[in-house]
Amino acid sequence: QQPVQSPQAVILREGEDAVINCSSSKALYSVHWYRQKHGEAPVFLMILLKGGEQKGHEKISASFNEKKQQSSLYLTASQLSYSGTYFCGTEGFGNEKLTFGTGTRLTIIP
Amino acid sequence: DAGVIQSPRHEVTEMGQEVTLRCKPISGHNSLFWYRQTMMRGLELLIYFNNNVPIDDSGMPEDRFSAKMPNASFSTLKIQPSEPRDSAVYFCASSLMNQPQHFGDGTRLSIL
Repeated sequence: QQPVQSPQAVILREGEDAVINCSSSKALYSVHWYRQKHGEAPVFLMILLKGGEQKGHEKISASFNEKKQQSSLYLTASQLSYSGTYFCGTEGFGNEKLTFGTGTRLTIIP
Repeated sequence: DAGVIQSPRHEVTEMGQEVTLRCKPISGHNSLFWYRQTMMRGLELLIYFNNNVPIDDSGMPEDRFSAKMPNASFSTLKIQPSEPRDSAVYFCASSLMNQPQHFGDGTRLSIL
């Protein structure tokens, strides 16, 4: 089952914060986050392996709520370079394959 | 280090023709994935290999699609015969087992 991402799209002014959510209908082993710029390949941002785990990458961080089967990506003080489509990928238990969500298109304007 | 290398970058061909997409994974990676990306369906996993062996091909849409990995450094995705609805961007990705995937630049396929 494909994870559901929200919102589908968001427009921010430079410096504003954003939260992107990823929800699954099944128990999760891990959550991966990727960013894809227009016309380019998806690029790995971070992976969360444990419930409650939080990670950061510059001003981009994420959390994983194992009980709720959800993950959130936080972008703080957004920069123009953050524009792109963000995908979460989820893995269930038992060596299940990574399944990507539908993506969230983030546009940062000056 | 070289990343995942895909060829060709762009392919335009007529309906009914055979199309072969190629991928060279990152050296040392033992998992390889083929994805298809369209506006309507997003990023779909077609097939993936572990140690050159196909593990899950449930995403392959039809018998017209086939994939091979004859050795650890090369894989192909073939469509025969091609149809206009096959038009998409096809990505190859590789990884170490259970590690993040590294994507190639993709092949933009247009079937006329």
